[in-house]
Amino acid sequence: DGGITQSPKYLFRKEGQNVTLSCEQNLNHDAMYWYRQDPGQGLRLIYYSQIVNDFQKGDIAEGYSVSREKKESFPLTVTSAQKNPTAFYLCASSTPRQGNQPQHFGDGTRLSIL
Amino acid sequence: GENVEQHPSTLSVQEGDSAVIKCTYSDSASNYFPWYKQELGKGPQLIIDIRSNVGEKKDQRIAVTLNKTAKHFSLHITETQPEDSAVYFCASRRAAGNKLTFGGGTRVLVKP
Repeated sequence: DGGITQSPKYLFRKEGQNVTLSCEQNLNHDAMYWYRQDPGQGLRLIYYSQIVNDFQKGDIAEGYSVSREKKESFPLTVTSAQKNPTAFYLCASSTPRQGNQPQHFGDGTRLSIL
Repeated sequence: GENVEQHPSTLSVQEGDSAVIKCTYSDSASNYFPWYKQELGKGPQLIIDIRSNVGEKKDQRIAVTLNKTAKHFSLHITETQPEDSAVYFCASRRAAGNKLTFGGGTRVLVKP
C-alpha cells in the first residue's frame, strides 16, 4: 500500500542536541511538507519542498533545517537553536502536477525534551 | 497572508444528532478547501474537500458548503456516531500555490 512513513513515533532530545525526523513516501508525490502541531492547536508549516533539491521556508522555519536529495525522502532536523521543540511533527505530501490535489499525512513523530 | 478561523473549538453532540463546524478565510484568492479528521495519536486524514466553483458537496453523512461571497465554508455531519469523535480541521489554499493554511481545529465528542 502507498503511504507516508514517519519514524520514529516517539523521540526524546537532550538540551543542546540536534535530532532528525524521518519522512518517506512511496506515493510518487513531488511536493512534501513538514508541520508542527502543539496541543489543542492547528498545524503550522515549517518547511516545504515542491521538487527534489529545492525547498522553501514556511511560517515557523527558525531552528529547523531540511534536505530533499531524493523524491521519496524529506528529513527534518530540529536543531539546538529551536528553544521549544516539544511538539507533534507531521509530514505530508501532494502531487501538484495533477492540479489541486489534497495533502496526505503521515502518523507523526512526537518529540519531547528530556 | 491567509488566515483561517474555525469555530467552535469544542463541540459535544448526542449520538444521532447533527454537528456543524464553520470556518472563515481571509484571502479571496483561495480556491480549495479541504477538511481533515484527526484521531488521537494519528495524522490528519482527508474526509472531504470542495473547490471554489462548487457551492456544496456531499459524501454519505458528510457535507461541505462554501459561500465565496462571505468567505466562509462549513462541515456538516449528520446522524453522528461515536466513531465521529475526533478533532476536525478546515484548511484553505490559494490557486497559485500548494501551501495549506489550517484552522485551529474543533474537538468533536459524540455521546452515546
